[in-house]
Amino acid sequence: DSGVTQTPKHLITATGQRVTLRCSPRSGDLSVYWYQQSLDQGLQFLIQYYNGEERAKGNILERFSAQQFPDLHSELNLSSLELGDSALYFCASSALGGLSTEAFFGQGTRLTVV
Amino acid sequence: QKEVEQDPGPLSVPEGAIVSLNCTYSNSAFQYFMWYRQYSRKGPELLMYTYSSGNKEDGRFTAQVDKSSKYISLFIRDSQPSDSATYLCAMKKSGGGADGLTFGKGTHLIIQP
Repeated sequence: DSGVTQTPKHLITATGQRVTLRCSPRSGDLSVYWYQQSLDQGLQFLIQYYNGEERAKGNILERFSAQQFPDLHSELNLSSLELGDSALYFCASSALGGLSTEAFFGQGTRLTVV
Repeated sequence: QKEVEQDPGPLSVPEGAIVSLNCTYSNSAFQYFMWYRQYSRKGPELLMYTYSSGNKEDGRFTAQVDKSSKYISLFIRDSQPSDSATYLCAMKKSGGGADGLTFGKGTHLIIQP
């Protein structure tokens, strides 16, 4: 168990809808990362938050947004969902910001858009 | 061309064999190199990480980085059926700026009992 908790584990929703994925980082970790894993693209970095502030952006679509709250948990919001958004979404946390090389991953949320 | 290339496999070897997994990359800015193991329907688990070129050993696992060739390897000695998983290489650029990891697509490894 990595100590990173993601909810829900599975989510099925229709095209055009909006969903929120939740992540609780390991105790004491200030940095949260979101990744998307699909069969064709592999694991892709979406966005990083550090102590409540956005720190880095990767291949995140404009329809997606995230935030990190004062208690350090994070939410990833996906809107106007398309079939191609079906994927595994992982959250990872690390103790520091960009200087830390050790990121610990949660078990993921499997999103299916129908 | 993708920044990180990794043969997806599957790679099937008998139990006890030495396994060699590899990645090549194109961006010379990468300084930190990692190997993650991912079991089916689970999150990636960090196995090894190295900074810049060189070797690092941890039990049955050895990670090698050759920055001049932009080539990294993970060797698994005395492979076990429990090593069957997808192995992902990952890289991170240097400097103090924030950065996510850039992953290879993973190699599916099967260790036959």
